[in-house]
Amino acid sequence: SSELTQDPAVSVALGQTVRITCQGDSLRSYYASWYQQKPGQAPVLVIYGKNNRPSGIPDRFSGSSSGNTASLTITGAQAEDEADYYCNSRDSSGNPHYVFGTGTKVTVL
Amino acid sequence: QLQLQESGPGLVKPSETLSLTCTVSGGSISSSSYYWGWIRQPPGKGLEWIGSIYYSGSTYYNPSLKSRVTISVDTSKNQFSLKLSSVTAADTAVYYCARDVFASVTIDYWGQGTLVTVSS
Repeated sequence: SSELTQDPAVSVALGQTVRITCQGDSLRSYYASWYQQKPGQAPVLVIYGKNNRPSGIPDRFSGSSSGNTASLTITGAQAEDEADYYCNSRDSSGNPHYVFGTGTKVTVL
Repeated sequence: QLQLQESGPGLVKPSETLSLTCTVSGGSISSSSYYWGWIRQPPGKGLEWIGSIYYSGSTYYNPSLKSRVTISVDTSKNQFSLKLSSVTAADTAVYYCARDVFASVTIDYWGQGTLVTVSS
């Protein structure tokens, strides 16, 4: 079972802002990374570390963290942002093992 | 631009061993900054990290799969490989290879993925 919990689905109106959350004990010690996955495609890293975007990722994607919760915010959501989003980080055992969140389906209306 | 490409059989029989290879191009697998990992995704489900390897051969594995998993590296070919033994239908998934930026706790480059079906 995943140690990182996400809401199964959220929706957002075109051009509006949506926040996706990821909860887990390990997030008190480690930052989360966030991945976007569209149907039939490999995941794409969109946010890592405190709030870092890989080259080519639009600045409407941002990350934040507080306590045991990490958040991914899409400011001004576009139709192409409709996808599944997964967080990941280390597990809470103290070992360097990765865990992934349960995933959030984002629908842009 | 770094690219990763998975290869291997798309169909494996129950109880046999699943074997996949990832070929890295556009960068060296011997870089001191990165591990190289495998992640899988059963159809319609979420992502599961399998394990990662350093170019020196140092590995770390998902505890839930550790007894069945072996990841190895061939620096001369710029490749790393996955073996998963005693497979069942529950191991049917898209298998991704990826670059693991250990120090940043992130996975920054992914292969396109390959579907492996376990069936007789």
